[in-house]
Amino acid sequence: AQSVTQLDSQVPVFEEAPVELRCNYSSSVSVYLFWYVQYPNQGLQLLLKYLSGSTLVKGINGFEAEFNKSQTSFHLRKPSVHISDTAEYFCAVTSGYSTLTFGKGTMLLVSP
Amino acid sequence: DAEITQSPRHKITETGRQVTLACHQTWNHNNMFWYRQDLGHGLRLIHYSYGVQDTNKGEVSDGYSVSRSNTEDLPLTLESAASSQTSVYFCASSELAGTSTDTQYFGPGTRLTVL
Repeated sequence: AQSVTQLDSQVPVFEEAPVELRCNYSSSVSVYLFWYVQYPNQGLQLLLKYLSGSTLVKGINGFEAEFNKSQTSFHLRKPSVHISDTAEYFCAVTSGYSTLTFGKGTMLLVSP
Repeated sequence: DAEITQSPRHKITETGRQVTLACHQTWNHNNMFWYRQDLGHGLRLIHYSYGVQDTNKGEVSDGYSVSRSNTEDLPLTLESAASSQTSVYFCASSELAGTSTDTQYFGPGTRLTVL
Protein backbone atom coordinates (compact mmCIF):
# COMPACT_ATOMS: atom_id res chain seq x y z
CA ALA A 1 0.00 0.00 0.00
CA GLN A 2 1.11 3.55 -0.62
CA SER A 3 0.22 6.80 1.09
CA VAL A 4 1.07 10.48 0.97
CA THR A 5 1.27 12.93 3.85
CA GLN A 6 1.18 16.66 3.31
CA LEU A 7 2.02 18.00 6.72
CA ASP A 8 0.71 21.53 6.24
CA SER A 9 -2.91 22.22 5.33
CA GLN A 10 -2.17 25.91 4.82
CA VAL A 11 1.03 27.86 4.19
CA PRO A 12 0.78 31.66 4.32
CA VAL A 13 3.64 33.59 2.76
CA PHE A 14 4.38 37.11 1.57
CA GLU A 15 4.94 37.90 -2.08
CA GLU A 16 8.56 37.45 -3.26
CA ALA A 17 9.41 35.23 -0.28
CA PRO A 18 10.61 31.64 -0.76
CA VAL A 19 8.30 28.76 0.00
CA GLU A 20 8.56 25.02 0.65
CA LEU A 21 5.56 22.71 0.64
CA ARG A 22 6.27 19.42 2.32
CA CYS A 23 5.34 15.96 1.08
CA ASN A 24 6.26 12.61 2.58
CA TYR A 25 5.26 9.26 1.17
CA SER A 26 5.26 5.65 2.21
CA SER A 27 5.55 2.74 -0.16
CA SER A 28 7.08 -0.72 -0.09
CA VAL A 29 8.15 -0.52 -3.73
CA SER A 30 9.69 2.00 -6.09
CA VAL A 31 7.66 5.14 -6.49
CA TYR A 32 6.82 7.79 -9.00
CA LEU A 33 5.94 11.18 -7.55
CA PHE A 34 3.89 14.12 -8.76
CA TRP A 35 2.88 17.62 -7.76
CA TYR A 36 -0.39 19.00 -9.11
CA VAL A 37 -1.77 22.51 -8.66
CA GLN A 38 -5.41 23.57 -8.45
CA TYR A 39 -6.23 27.22 -9.00
CA PRO A 40 -9.55 28.49 -7.60
CA ASN A 41 -12.59 26.92 -9.28
CA GLN A 42 -10.49 24.91 -11.71
CA GLY A 43 -9.36 21.34 -12.22
CA LEU A 44 -5.87 20.14 -11.34
CA GLN A 45 -2.89 20.54 -13.64
CA LEU A 46 0.54 18.97 -13.47
CA LEU A 47 3.37 21.06 -11.99
CA LEU A 48 6.12 18.45 -12.19
CA LYS A 49 6.84 14.76 -11.80
CA TYR A 50 9.67 12.44 -10.84
CA LEU A 51 9.88 9.17 -12.74
CA SER A 52 13.63 8.45 -12.71
CA GLY A 53 17.02 10.11 -13.20
CA SER A 54 17.99 13.35 -11.54
CA THR A 55 16.43 13.75 -8.12
CA LEU A 56 15.96 17.48 -8.67
CA VAL A 57 12.97 18.04 -10.90
CA LYS A 58 12.04 21.37 -12.43
CA GLY A 59 8.47 22.19 -13.30
CA ILE A 60 6.34 24.98 -14.63
CA ASN A 61 6.09 28.48 -13.15
CA GLY A 62 9.51 28.30 -11.48
CA PHE A 63 8.70 25.43 -9.12
CA GLU A 64 11.07 22.58 -8.39
CA ALA A 65 11.05 19.50 -6.18
CA GLU A 66 13.68 17.15 -4.85
CA PHE A 67 13.19 13.41 -4.47
CA ASN A 68 14.87 12.17 -1.29
CA LYS A 69 14.62 8.40 -1.04
CA SER A 70 16.25 8.11 2.38
CA GLN A 71 13.81 10.59 3.90
CA THR A 72 10.89 9.43 1.70
CA SER A 73 10.17 13.02 0.80
CA PHE A 74 9.36 15.05 -2.28
CA HIS A 75 9.19 18.66 -1.11
CA LEU A 76 8.12 21.42 -3.50
CA ARG A 77 10.03 24.72 -3.52
CA LYS A 78 9.95 28.11 -5.18
CA PRO A 79 12.55 30.80 -4.47
CA SER A 80 10.17 33.76 -4.90
CA VAL A 81 6.40 33.45 -4.99
CA HIS A 82 3.84 35.67 -6.71
CA ILE A 83 0.26 36.49 -5.84
CA SER A 84 -0.75 34.33 -8.78
CA ASP A 85 0.76 31.25 -7.08
CA THR A 86 -2.11 31.27 -4.59
CA ALA A 87 -3.65 27.84 -5.11
CA GLU A 88 -3.97 24.39 -3.59
CA TYR A 89 -1.08 22.02 -4.20
CA PHE A 90 -1.38 18.26 -4.18
CA CYS A 91 1.38 15.70 -3.90
CA ALA A 92 0.66 12.27 -5.40
CA VAL A 93 2.38 8.88 -5.57
CA THR A 94 2.10 5.70 -7.58
CA SER A 95 4.11 2.51 -7.83
CA GLY A 96 3.35 2.41 -11.54
CA TYR A 97 1.16 -0.66 -11.16
CA SER A 98 -1.25 1.04 -8.78
CA THR A 99 -3.46 4.04 -9.33
CA LEU A 100 -2.42 7.51 -8.21
CA THR A 101 -2.81 8.29 -4.50
CA PHE A 102 -3.18 11.98 -3.65
CA GLY A 103 -2.35 13.79 -0.46
CA LYS A 104 -4.93 15.99 1.24
CA GLY A 105 -3.48 19.14 -0.27
CA THR A 106 -1.72 22.28 0.95
CA MET A 107 -3.29 25.68 0.41
CA LEU A 108 -0.63 28.26 -0.47
CA LEU A 109 -1.80 31.76 0.44
CA VAL A 110 0.37 34.54 -0.99
CA SER A 111 -0.25 38.04 0.30
CA PRO A 112 1.24 41.37 -0.76
CA ASP B 1 -7.69 22.11 -29.21
CA ALA B 2 -8.15 18.82 -27.43
CA GLU B 3 -9.88 19.06 -24.10
CA ILE B 4 -11.81 17.32 -21.38
CA THR B 5 -15.26 18.59 -20.48
CA GLN B 6 -17.72 17.81 -17.71
CA SER B 7 -21.42 18.44 -17.54
CA PRO B 8 -23.31 19.73 -15.76
CA ARG B 9 -20.97 22.08 -13.90
CA HIS B 10 -23.42 22.43 -11.03
CA LYS B 11 -26.28 20.17 -10.00
CA ILE B 12 -28.69 20.03 -7.11
CA THR B 13 -30.67 16.85 -6.61
CA GLU B 14 -32.71 15.09 -3.96
CA THR B 15 -31.87 12.04 -1.88
CA GLY B 16 -32.75 8.82 -3.65
CA ARG B 17 -32.65 10.14 -7.20
CA GLN B 18 -30.40 8.69 -9.87
CA VAL B 19 -27.85 11.16 -11.19
CA THR B 20 -25.44 10.89 -14.11
CA LEU B 21 -22.42 13.11 -14.52
CA ALA B 22 -20.89 13.31 -17.97
CA CYS B 23 -17.21 13.36 -18.89
CA HIS B 24 -15.98 13.74 -22.47
CA GLN B 25 -12.39 13.94 -23.71
CA THR B 26 -11.16 14.65 -27.23
CA TRP B 27 -7.53 13.53 -26.76
CA ASN B 28 -8.29 9.91 -27.62
CA HIS B 29 -6.74 8.92 -24.29
CA ASN B 30 -6.96 5.30 -23.17
CA ASN B 31 -7.32 5.95 -19.44
CA MET B 32 -10.12 7.83 -17.72
CA PHE B 33 -10.68 8.45 -14.02
CA TRP B 34 -13.34 9.81 -11.69
CA TYR B 35 -12.38 11.46 -8.40
CA ARG B 36 -14.29 13.22 -5.67
CA GLN B 37 -12.82 16.14 -3.76
CA ASP B 38 -13.89 16.84 -0.19
CA LEU B 39 -12.45 19.23 2.35
CA GLY B 40 -9.90 17.45 4.47
CA HIS B 41 -9.75 14.41 2.20
CA GLY B 42 -8.04 15.67 -0.94
CA LEU B 43 -8.91 13.68 -4.07
CA ARG B 44 -10.17 10.14 -3.78
CA LEU B 45 -10.54 7.76 -6.70
CA ILE B 46 -14.06 6.48 -7.40
CA HIS B 47 -13.75 4.45 -10.61
CA TYR B 48 -11.36 4.23 -13.52
CA SER B 49 -11.08 2.72 -16.98
CA TYR B 50 -8.04 1.67 -18.99
CA GLY B 51 -9.96 1.30 -22.23
CA VAL B 52 -13.30 0.57 -23.89
CA GLN B 53 -15.35 -1.99 -21.94
CA ASP B 54 -12.84 -1.87 -19.06
CA THR B 55 -13.92 -0.48 -15.68
CA ASN B 56 -12.39 -0.80 -12.22
CA LYS B 57 -13.35 0.20 -8.70
CA GLY B 58 -11.38 2.80 -6.83
CA GLU B 59 -11.07 3.65 -3.18
CA VAL B 60 -14.62 5.01 -2.71
CA SER B 61 -16.75 3.19 -5.31
CA ASP B 62 -19.79 2.28 -3.18
CA GLY B 63 -22.94 3.89 -4.59
CA TYR B 64 -21.32 4.77 -7.93
CA SER B 65 -21.07 3.04 -11.29
CA VAL B 66 -19.42 3.76 -14.65
CA SER B 67 -19.49 2.30 -18.12
CA ARG B 68 -17.09 2.79 -21.03
CA SER B 69 -18.71 2.19 -24.39
CA ASN B 70 -16.32 4.39 -26.40
CA THR B 71 -12.93 6.04 -25.98
CA GLU B 72 -14.22 9.57 -25.45
CA ASP B 73 -16.78 9.18 -22.63
CA LEU B 74 -16.92 7.86 -19.07
CA PRO B 75 -20.24 8.79 -17.44
CA LEU B 76 -20.50 8.46 -13.66
CA THR B 77 -23.85 7.33 -12.24
CA LEU B 78 -25.03 7.71 -8.68
CA GLU B 79 -27.64 4.99 -8.41
CA SER B 80 -29.51 6.50 -5.46
CA ALA B 81 -28.02 9.80 -4.39
CA ALA B 82 -27.20 10.27 -0.70
CA SER B 83 -26.26 13.43 1.21
CA SER B 84 -22.81 11.92 1.78
CA GLN B 85 -22.26 12.16 -1.97
CA THR B 86 -22.40 15.94 -1.91
CA SER B 87 -18.99 16.80 -3.31
CA VAL B 88 -17.01 18.18 -6.21
CA TYR B 89 -16.39 15.54 -8.87
CA PHE B 90 -13.44 15.60 -11.25
CA CYS B 91 -12.89 13.56 -14.34
CA ALA B 92 -9.37 13.02 -15.68
CA SER B 93 -7.72 11.24 -18.57
CA SER B 94 -4.24 10.06 -19.50
CA GLU B 95 -2.75 8.59 -22.63
CA LEU B 96 -0.59 5.56 -21.85
CA ALA B 97 -2.78 2.52 -21.43
CA GLY B 98 -2.77 0.77 -18.08
CA THR B 99 -0.23 2.91 -16.29
CA SER B 100 -0.43 5.62 -13.66
CA THR B 101 2.92 7.23 -14.45
CA ASP B 102 1.48 9.32 -17.27
CA THR B 103 0.25 12.88 -16.71
CA GLN B 104 -3.44 13.10 -15.94
CA TYR B 105 -5.47 15.91 -17.49
CA PHE B 106 -8.39 17.10 -15.41
CA GLY B 107 -11.76 18.50 -16.32
CA PRO B 108 -13.17 21.63 -14.66
CA GLY B 109 -15.27 19.68 -12.14
CA THR B 110 -18.95 19.21 -11.29
CA ARG B 111 -20.29 20.51 -8.00
CA LEU B 112 -23.05 18.17 -6.84
CA THR B 113 -25.36 18.93 -3.94
CA VAL B 114 -27.69 16.23 -2.62
CA LEU B 115 -30.52 17.58 -0.45
